[in-house]
Amino acid sequence: DQQVKQNSPSLSVQEGRISILNCDYTNSMFDYFLWYKKYPAEGPTFLISISSIKDKNEDGRFTVFLNKSAKHLSLHIVPSQPGDSAVYFCAASDGDMRFGAGTRLTVKP
Amino acid sequence: IAGITQAPTSQILAAGRRMTLRCTQDMRHNAMYWYRQDLGLGLRLIHYSNTAGTTGKGEVPDGYSVSRANTDDFPLTLASAVPSQTSVYFCASSDSGGKLFFGSGTQLSVL
Repeated sequence: DQQVKQNSPSLSVQEGRISILNCDYTNSMFDYFLWYKKYPAEGPTFLISISSIKDKNEDGRFTVFLNKSAKHLSLHIVPSQPGDSAVYFCAASDGDMRFGAGTRLTVKP
Repeated sequence: IAGITQAPTSQILAAGRRMTLRCTQDMRHNAMYWYRQDLGLGLRLIHYSNTAGTTGKGEVPDGYSVSRANTDDFPLTLASAVPSQTSVYFCASSDSGGKLFFGSGTQLSVL
């Protein structure tokens, strides 16, 4: 029973455009949400997080939005760059951290 | 700055053999974790340790064991490997803020 779902296995966008990665969760007890980025042959690295008391957190080109009523969060990357091409994992925690299946983002030059 | 070091990087193993995946951290984090990554399933927690001397079971613990004799080391053992344990294994530690720091992974193939 996956409590964190990333329904899009892949996403392709043009360089300079916006990338929007989506994530849904089922456990209303989750209070901390994170995005991790993973390049091939490397471990995931932390990208950005948001607490359940906020609905938006921004860090440079990366913004995470949280909609608690819809149990939905999204990661926006603006503008997208070829170096952003990676697998992005959504994660949610209520003390135990659960991960989504990941979305492979490809940014085309 | 090493962070999390995992060994080996990759391994091919015959079914039924015993295998220990090594993990060492130099960040003095109390909590450590073992995850496996499988296509379409993301990262699933195998075992964790909140502090040296304690361990706990995650989502998919069967067929795996761990020990935490000290803060830095958190080995994962497959007592008798089976093909369904073919996966990429990641060791991680977490800081007080709850962020995870991952190693580079071990690609394990059980034939």
